[in-house]
Amino acid sequence: AQTVTQSQPEMSVQEAETVTLSCTYDTSENNYYLFWYKQPPSRQMILVIRQEAYKQQNATENRFSVNFQKAAKSFSLKISDSQLGDTAMYFCAPIQGAQKLVFGQGTRLTINP
Amino acid sequence: DTEVTQTPKHLVMGMTNKKSLKCEQHMGHRAMYWYKQKAKKPPELMFVYSYEKLSINESVRSRFSPECPNSSLLNLHLHALQPEDSALYLCASSQVNGEKLFFGSGTQLSVL
Repeated sequence: AQTVTQSQPEMSVQEAETVTLSCTYDTSENNYYLFWYKQPPSRQMILVIRQEAYKQQNATENRFSVNFQKAAKSFSLKISDSQLGDTAMYFCAPIQGAQKLVFGQGTRLTINP
Repeated sequence: DTEVTQTPKHLVMGMTNKKSLKCEQHMGHRAMYWYKQKAKKPPELMFVYSYEKLSINESVRSRFSPECPNSSLLNLHLHALQPEDSALYLCASSQVNGEKLFFGSGTQLSVL
């Protein structure tokens, strides 16, 4: 069974700071996708960023970027210039095989004014 | 239209009731998913449909019965549920290769 580990249950930073959320995973696949989803208090799951495992270049999406280390099976999320609206639960989610998206336990991120 | 629509948003039911959750998307996605999320936990995969056929069943109890009547609709039929089945039920859809899942806003289910 695939395991996903997010070692930081909770994090808190000041607005405008940079924060990095960590994620490690286990997979036997060679080609796969990895995702970070956020879930604000509304509980809507929102895609933050996606990485394709066969691509060496780290994905970026505006203030969000990843550090993908395939050999180490590590997939961290960096949020730059954090904003109050970034307050949410963040889930790391590799997809295994066909369509099986597995979520980590999540990191509760709070951005303080 | 990039939305996945779930109805109802809230549902309260007794253990002897039969109810259904509905999910609809018009993005042309041919894979649809049901996830269950307990409070303060990550979503857990229940079922995956691919081209209207059940492709993944994560050993879900038979009191949950999925149905995919066409490529845009996904239902979850509920029967004889237990209080521990109370949770947020999330529907999602994607291209068949699972490239990116789009989630609905969920149905909050309470079983009394």
